[in-house]
Amino acid sequence: AQSVAQPEDQVNVAEGNPLTVKCTYSVSGNPYLFWYVQYPNRGLQFLLKYITGDNLVKGSYGFEAEFNKSQTSFHLKKPSALVSDSALYFCAVKFSGANNLFFGTGTRLTVIP
Amino acid sequence: DTAVSQTPKYLVTQMGNDKSIKCEQNLGHDTMYWYKQDSKKFLKIMFSYNNKELIINETVPNRFSPKSPDKAHLNLHINSLELGDSAVYFCASSPNPRGRVLGGPNTGELFFGEGSRLTVL
Repeated sequence: AQSVAQPEDQVNVAEGNPLTVKCTYSVSGNPYLFWYVQYPNRGLQFLLKYITGDNLVKGSYGFEAEFNKSQTSFHLKKPSALVSDSALYFCAVKFSGANNLFFGTGTRLTVIP
Repeated sequence: DTAVSQTPKYLVTQMGNDKSIKCEQNLGHDTMYWYKQDSKKFLKIMFSYNNKELIINETVPNRFSPKSPDKAHLNLHINSLELGDSAVYFCASSPNPRGRVLGGPNTGELFFGEGSRLTVL
């Protein structure tokens, strides 16, 4: 079955430290992978996507993600976390032939000052 | 300028009532969506329209009826509201027209509205 998973409900990291938010997927064919961020009482904002090409994708606000086909992962990373990065992060996948995105369950990132 | 706008932002109503949420996008996109986010923050697709044509209709009670008068608007009407309908409803749009080969320059990112929080008492 095709799916996308975020194994961590909550990630805490100290300000200035590197952060990683994990995402794994299970698809047939080539996936299109996305990361979105949701701040409190706001809509989702697009951060970055992987379609094809370079496995390391750079996005908004200094975030990047690495597509790893062998591990079927697309983890979101940032070298130095900011308190303002605290939010809910969603990994999403567009399955081959689908017209919409399927979202993971979300990971709440808290950056501690 | 707001790209995807939803109204109302907050809606509190009694069980059994009928209510509508409106969505408009000024991005020139062909495809629009309704997603539901529950109290645990899970996001689930409800409907998708491409150029006024319904292309996704997930398992949603038929009390929910989307209407797309034109490709810039997708409204959601809910009849006989139930407590379990309480959620945040997000409208979104994307530039992918149906049938375009995936992998082209516009490959699927969605642009979301700010959400409409529905509370059913």
